[in-house]
Amino acid sequence: DVKVTQSSRYLVKRTGEKVFLECVQDMDHENMFWYRQDPGLGLRLIYFSYDVKMKEKGDIPEGYSVSREKKERFSLILESASTNQTSMYLCASRGGGEKLFFGSGTQLSVL
Amino acid sequence: QKEVEQNSGPLSVPEGAIASLNCTYSDRVSQSFFWYRQYSGKSPELIMSIYSNGDKEDGRFTAQLNKASQYVSLLIRDSQPSDSATYLCAVSPRVDYKLSFGAGTTVTVRA
Repeated sequence: DVKVTQSSRYLVKRTGEKVFLECVQDMDHENMFWYRQDPGLGLRLIYFSYDVKMKEKGDIPEGYSVSREKKERFSLILESASTNQTSMYLCASRGGGEKLFFGSGTQLSVL
Repeated sequence: QKEVEQNSGPLSVPEGAIASLNCTYSDRVSQSFFWYRQYSGKSPELIMSIYSNGDKEDGRFTAQLNKASQYVSLLIRDSQPSDSATYLCAVSPRVDYKLSFGAGTTVTVRA
Protein backbone atom coordinates (compact mmCIF):
# COMPACT_ATOMS: atom_id res chain seq x y z
CA ASP A 1 0.00 0.00 0.00
CA VAL A 2 1.10 3.54 -0.73
CA LYS A 3 2.09 5.44 2.34
CA VAL A 4 2.05 9.23 2.53
CA THR A 5 3.45 10.42 5.82
CA GLN A 6 3.07 13.90 7.23
CA SER A 7 5.51 14.72 9.97
CA SER A 8 3.08 16.14 12.53
CA ARG A 9 -0.59 15.52 13.28
CA TYR A 10 -0.96 18.68 15.36
CA LEU A 11 1.19 21.78 15.35
CA VAL A 12 0.91 25.04 17.29
CA LYS A 13 2.95 28.03 16.15
CA ARG A 14 3.09 31.73 16.88
CA THR A 15 2.36 34.55 14.46
CA GLY A 16 5.44 35.46 12.46
CA GLU A 17 7.20 32.12 12.88
CA LYS A 18 8.57 30.25 9.89
CA VAL A 19 6.80 26.90 9.69
CA PHE A 20 7.84 23.77 7.81
CA LEU A 21 5.35 21.01 7.02
CA GLU A 22 6.95 17.84 5.73
CA CYS A 23 5.47 15.13 3.56
CA VAL A 24 7.11 11.89 2.46
CA GLN A 25 5.75 9.24 0.12
CA ASP A 26 7.18 5.78 -0.37
CA MET A 27 5.95 4.84 -3.87
CA ASP A 28 8.21 6.81 -6.20
CA HIS A 29 5.30 8.99 -7.29
CA GLU A 30 5.95 11.84 -9.70
CA ASN A 31 3.21 14.18 -8.53
CA MET A 32 2.82 15.62 -5.07
CA PHE A 33 0.29 18.15 -3.77
CA TRP A 34 -0.39 20.40 -0.82
CA TYR A 35 -4.00 21.27 0.01
CA ARG A 36 -5.57 23.08 2.91
CA GLN A 37 -9.02 22.17 4.13
CA ASP A 38 -11.32 24.60 5.91
CA PRO A 39 -14.96 24.10 6.93
CA GLY A 40 -17.33 25.11 4.14
CA LEU A 41 -14.48 25.67 1.68
CA GLY A 42 -13.40 22.13 0.92
CA LEU A 43 -9.88 21.35 -0.25
CA ARG A 44 -7.99 24.21 -1.84
CA LEU A 45 -4.78 23.58 -3.74
CA ILE A 46 -1.76 25.52 -2.51
CA TYR A 47 1.03 24.08 -4.67
CA PHE A 48 1.76 20.97 -6.59
CA SER A 49 4.92 19.41 -7.97
CA TYR A 50 5.12 17.18 -11.02
CA ASP A 51 8.78 16.28 -10.64
CA VAL A 52 11.85 16.97 -8.53
CA LYS A 53 12.54 20.71 -8.33
CA MET A 54 9.44 21.37 -10.45
CA LYS A 55 6.50 23.17 -8.88
CA GLU A 56 3.40 24.99 -9.93
CA LYS A 57 1.15 27.35 -8.01
CA GLY A 58 -2.28 26.21 -7.09
CA ASP A 59 -5.28 28.37 -6.30
CA ILE A 60 -4.05 29.93 -3.04
CA PRO A 61 -0.22 30.12 -3.05
CA GLU A 62 0.08 33.48 -1.30
CA GLY A 63 2.04 33.24 1.94
CA TYR A 64 3.38 29.77 1.11
CA SER A 65 6.36 28.30 -0.66
CA VAL A 66 7.40 24.72 -1.36
CA SER A 67 10.51 22.66 -1.80
CA ARG A 68 11.03 19.37 -3.58
CA GLU A 69 14.71 18.46 -3.57
CA LYS A 70 14.09 14.71 -3.57
CA LYS A 71 11.33 12.78 -5.28
CA GLU A 72 9.90 11.34 -2.11
CA ARG A 73 9.72 14.55 -0.08
CA PHE A 74 7.58 17.65 -0.61
CA SER A 75 7.79 20.42 1.97
CA LEU A 76 5.37 23.28 2.52
CA ILE A 77 6.82 26.44 4.05
CA LEU A 78 4.92 29.24 5.71
CA GLU A 79 7.40 32.09 5.54
CA SER A 80 5.75 34.13 8.30
CA ALA A 81 2.78 32.36 9.82
CA SER A 82 -0.42 34.31 10.28
CA THR A 83 -3.64 33.45 12.11
CA ASN A 84 -5.53 33.05 8.82
CA GLN A 85 -3.23 30.13 8.01
CA THR A 86 -4.74 28.12 10.84
CA SER A 87 -6.10 25.12 8.97
CA MET A 88 -5.86 21.41 8.24
CA TYR A 89 -3.09 20.79 5.72
CA LEU A 90 -3.24 17.69 3.56
CA CYS A 91 -0.43 16.32 1.44
CA ALA A 92 -1.16 13.94 -1.43
CA SER A 93 0.81 12.03 -4.04
CA ARG A 94 -0.04 10.40 -7.33
CA GLY A 95 1.83 7.98 -9.55
CA GLY A 96 0.89 7.00 -13.09
CA GLY A 97 -2.77 6.53 -12.32
CA GLU A 98 -5.65 8.80 -11.48
CA LYS A 99 -5.82 8.29 -7.76
CA LEU A 100 -4.54 10.76 -5.18
CA PHE A 101 -3.18 9.19 -2.01
CA PHE A 102 -3.53 11.48 0.96
CA GLY A 103 -1.56 11.74 4.15
CA SER A 104 -3.36 11.88 7.48
CA GLY A 105 -3.13 15.67 7.65
CA THR A 106 -1.54 18.28 9.91
CA GLN A 107 -3.82 20.49 11.96
CA LEU A 108 -1.92 23.75 12.26
CA SER A 109 -2.93 26.40 14.77
CA VAL A 110 -1.29 29.81 14.55
CA LEU A 111 -1.73 31.88 17.70
CA GLN B 1 -17.82 31.90 -9.27
CA LYS B 2 -16.19 28.92 -7.62
CA GLU B 3 -14.62 26.45 -10.01
CA VAL B 4 -16.42 23.44 -8.52
CA GLU B 5 -19.73 23.80 -6.68
CA GLN B 6 -21.62 21.19 -4.73
CA ASN B 7 -24.97 21.32 -2.98
CA SER B 8 -23.93 22.15 0.53
CA GLY B 9 -26.12 19.76 2.46
CA PRO B 10 -26.17 18.25 4.91
CA LEU B 11 -28.14 15.49 3.24
CA SER B 12 -30.01 13.10 5.49
CA VAL B 13 -31.45 9.90 4.00
CA PRO B 14 -33.02 6.81 5.58
CA GLU B 15 -31.19 3.51 5.38
CA GLY B 16 -31.94 1.77 2.10
CA ALA B 17 -32.81 4.95 0.22
CA ILE B 18 -30.96 6.60 -2.66
CA ALA B 19 -28.66 9.51 -1.88
CA SER B 20 -28.19 11.93 -4.76
CA LEU B 21 -25.24 14.31 -4.81
CA ASN B 22 -24.72 17.04 -7.37
CA CYS B 23 -21.71 18.95 -8.63
CA THR B 24 -21.28 21.66 -11.26
CA TYR B 25 -18.02 23.00 -12.64
CA SER B 26 -17.12 26.16 -14.48
CA ASP B 27 -14.11 25.19 -16.65
CA ARG B 28 -15.36 23.81 -19.96
CA VAL B 29 -12.01 22.16 -20.72
CA SER B 30 -12.37 19.81 -17.74
CA GLN B 31 -11.98 16.21 -18.84
CA SER B 32 -11.57 14.18 -15.65
CA PHE B 33 -14.07 13.95 -12.83
CA PHE B 34 -13.77 12.24 -9.48
CA TRP B 35 -15.73 11.57 -6.32
CA TYR B 36 -13.83 11.26 -3.05
CA ARG B 37 -15.31 10.15 0.25
CA GLN B 38 -14.03 11.58 3.51
CA TYR B 39 -15.02 10.14 6.87
CA SER B 40 -14.94 12.48 9.83
CA GLY B 41 -11.37 12.98 11.01
CA LYS B 42 -9.93 10.99 8.12
CA SER B 43 -8.37 11.80 4.76
CA PRO B 44 -10.26 11.66 1.45
CA GLU B 45 -10.28 8.43 -0.56
CA LEU B 46 -11.21 7.96 -4.20
CA ILE B 47 -14.46 6.09 -4.81
CA MET B 48 -15.35 6.90 -8.42
CA SER B 49 -13.87 8.43 -11.54
CA ILE B 50 -15.63 9.27 -14.80
CA TYR B 51 -14.36 10.70 -18.07
CA SER B 52 -17.15 10.22 -20.64
CA ASN B 53 -20.71 11.45 -20.80
CA GLY B 54 -23.22 9.02 -19.37
CA ASP B 55 -23.35 6.73 -16.38
CA LYS B 56 -20.68 4.65 -14.70
CA GLU B 57 -21.64 2.10 -12.08
CA ASP B 58 -19.50 0.53 -9.39
CA GLY B 59 -21.41 -1.53 -6.88
CA ARG B 60 -23.93 0.69 -5.13
CA PHE B 61 -22.37 3.86 -6.59
CA THR B 62 -23.28 5.45 -9.92
CA ALA B 63 -21.52 8.50 -11.32
CA GLN B 64 -23.26 10.51 -14.03
CA LEU B 65 -21.57 13.04 -16.29
CA ASN B 66 -23.06 15.63 -18.63
CA LYS B 67 -20.30 17.79 -20.11
CA ALA B 68 -22.72 19.97 -22.08
CA SER B 69 -24.39 21.00 -18.83
CA GLN B 70 -21.09 20.94 -16.89
CA TYR B 71 -22.67 18.67 -14.34
CA VAL B 72 -21.57 15.52 -12.56
CA SER B 73 -23.52 13.59 -9.96
CA LEU B 74 -23.14 10.65 -7.64
CA LEU B 75 -25.95 8.29 -6.67
CA ILE B 76 -25.62 6.00 -3.71
CA ARG B 77 -28.19 3.21 -3.87
CA ASP B 78 -29.36 1.20 -0.85
CA SER B 79 -27.65 3.71 1.46
CA GLN B 80 -26.02 2.23 4.56
CA PRO B 81 -24.99 3.93 7.83
CA SER B 82 -21.39 3.28 6.74
CA ASP B 83 -21.98 5.67 3.82
CA SER B 84 -22.28 8.57 6.27
CA ALA B 85 -19.41 10.84 5.25
CA THR B 86 -18.56 13.96 3.30
CA TYR B 87 -18.42 13.47 -0.46
CA LEU B 88 -16.06 15.67 -2.43
CA CYS B 89 -16.36 16.32 -6.15
CA ALA B 90 -13.04 16.93 -7.94
CA VAL B 91 -12.39 18.11 -11.48
CA SER B 92 -9.28 18.28 -13.66
CA PRO B 93 -8.48 19.33 -17.23
CA ARG B 94 -6.67 16.04 -17.66
CA VAL B 95 -6.11 12.93 -15.58
CA ASP B 96 -2.49 13.69 -14.65
CA TYR B 97 -2.93 17.34 -13.77
CA LYS B 98 -4.00 19.22 -10.66
CA LEU B 99 -7.42 18.60 -9.14
CA SER B 100 -9.85 21.26 -8.01
CA PHE B 101 -12.25 20.17 -5.28
CA GLY B 102 -15.69 21.32 -4.30
CA ALA B 103 -16.58 22.14 -0.71
CA GLY B 104 -18.20 18.74 -0.19
CA THR B 105 -21.63 17.45 0.72
CA THR B 106 -22.10 15.76 4.08
CA VAL B 107 -24.37 12.73 3.96
CA THR B 108 -25.97 11.16 7.02
CA VAL B 109 -27.72 7.82 6.63
CA ARG B 110 -30.33 7.25 9.35
CA ALA B 111 -30.71 3.68 10.57
